[in-house]
Amino acid sequence: EAGVAQSPRYKIIEKRQSVAFWCNPISGHATLYWYQQILGQGPKLLIQFQNNGVVDDSQLPKDRFSAERLKGVDSTLKIQPAKLEDSAVYLCASSSDREITGELFFGEGSRLTVL
Amino acid sequence: KNQVEQSPQSLIILEGKNCTLQCNYTVSPFSNLRWYKQDTGRGPVSLTIMTFSENTKSNGRYTATLDADTKQSSLHITASQLSDSASYICVVSGSRRNDMRFGAGTRLTVKP
Repeated sequence: EAGVAQSPRYKIIEKRQSVAFWCNPISGHATLYWYQQILGQGPKLLIQFQNNGVVDDSQLPKDRFSAERLKGVDSTLKIQPAKLEDSAVYLCASSSDREITGELFFGEGSRLTVL
Repeated sequence: KNQVEQSPQSLIILEGKNCTLQCNYTVSPFSNLRWYKQDTGRGPVSLTIMTFSENTKSNGRYTATLDADTKQSSLHITASQLSDSASYICVVSGSRRNDMRFGAGTRLTVKP
């Protein structure tokens, strides 16, 4: 079974530039999450999708961050304009609604450095 | 205040030694608790998951315990190996299945 795929793995941009991250969840997983992980901290939920609908985006800085999951499969997370404090690893995870414990499967992450 | 607190923040041990990591939580009501291992530069990978009715779960050299009354969990690593060097993250789920609270993690370094 293929895992959660993310790209790019690394991205370096200057502040005020824009960046986009892509995630392809495990096939058949209805729930998709984007997390922000700052160095030395645990992941922080940015947005959760159920199929192509948003379940929770309460911690997404909507003035600069946006995410979509068209057709309920792939998802993109965009930051525009980026700030220095956005430097972090952006983790995508997916889970199956058929699995009672809601096990999360994470991708390798996209490391963003904002200069 | 974070609802999931982990200790210690970091730990250095010698190869072959045992160690125990702690997780205290205030999430209520409680559904399940998971321990994840995160290697440097990689995504977290699940080690164990326990519901409120389970008080111990093993995965090879990793043994997790749960005391739902005191809201404490521990992850015990036996006969540590260099490959155990990683961050270990405790995740507690509340009443809603996808309501998950992450701890900040414990950074473990195993030295030869």
